Amino acid sequence: DQQVKQNSPSLSVQEGRISILNCDYTNSMFDYFLWYKKYPAEGPTFLISISSIKDKNEDGRFTVFLNKSAKHLSLHIVPSQPGDSAVYFCAAENQGGKLIFGQGTELSVKP
Amino acid sequence: NAGVTQTPKFQVLKTGQSMTLQCAQDMNHNSMYWYRQDPGMGLRLIYYSASEGTTDKGEVPNGYNVSRLNKREFSLRLESAAPSQTSVYFCASSEIQVSNQPQHFGDGTRLSIL
Repeated sequence: DQQVKQNSPSLSVQEGRISILNCDYTNSMFDYFLWYKKYPAEGPTFLISISSIKDKNEDGRFTVFLNKSAKHLSLHIVPSQPGDSAVYFCAAENQGGKLIFGQGTELSVKP
Repeated sequence: NAGVTQTPKFQVLKTGQSMTLQCAQDMNHNSMYWYRQDPGMGLRLIYYSASEGTTDKGEVPNGYNVSRLNKREFSLRLESAAPSQTSVYFCASSEIQVSNQPQHFGDGTRLSIL
């Protein structure tokens, strides 16, 4: 049973427009949510996170929104750049400090 | 500026062979982790070590063993490799195993078992 789901395997966006990546979860006890970015042949790198007590966190072009009632979070990238093309994983942290990852969404930003 | 270093980067094994994947971090982190990534399934936790001297099972531990050799090094062993263990393996570390401590990942070991 997948506790963290990214239902869109891929997303294509024009350079300069907004990219919105979505993630759903089932366990209301998750403490923290994180987004990681992964380029081919590299390990995931941490991008941005949000505590379960907040509903928004912003860092430059990246904003994460958390809707606890819907058990849904999203990552907004504005404006999108070709260098943002990568696979994005959302992850939820349980009370034991362990991460549960979604399947990933491959973002392609076209010039 | 190495961060988390994994060796080897690639390996091909025959069914039944044994193999140890090595991981070392130079960030003085207390917690270390091993994940596997399979197509369409994201990353799944195999084993973790919250601190030097401790190890615990994650979501998919069967067929694997780990050793936390010291604070820097955390190895993953396949005693008798099976084709189902073909995957990309990632090692990660974090300062401590609590919220708001992002994990730092190595670049992975691509393992194929024939």
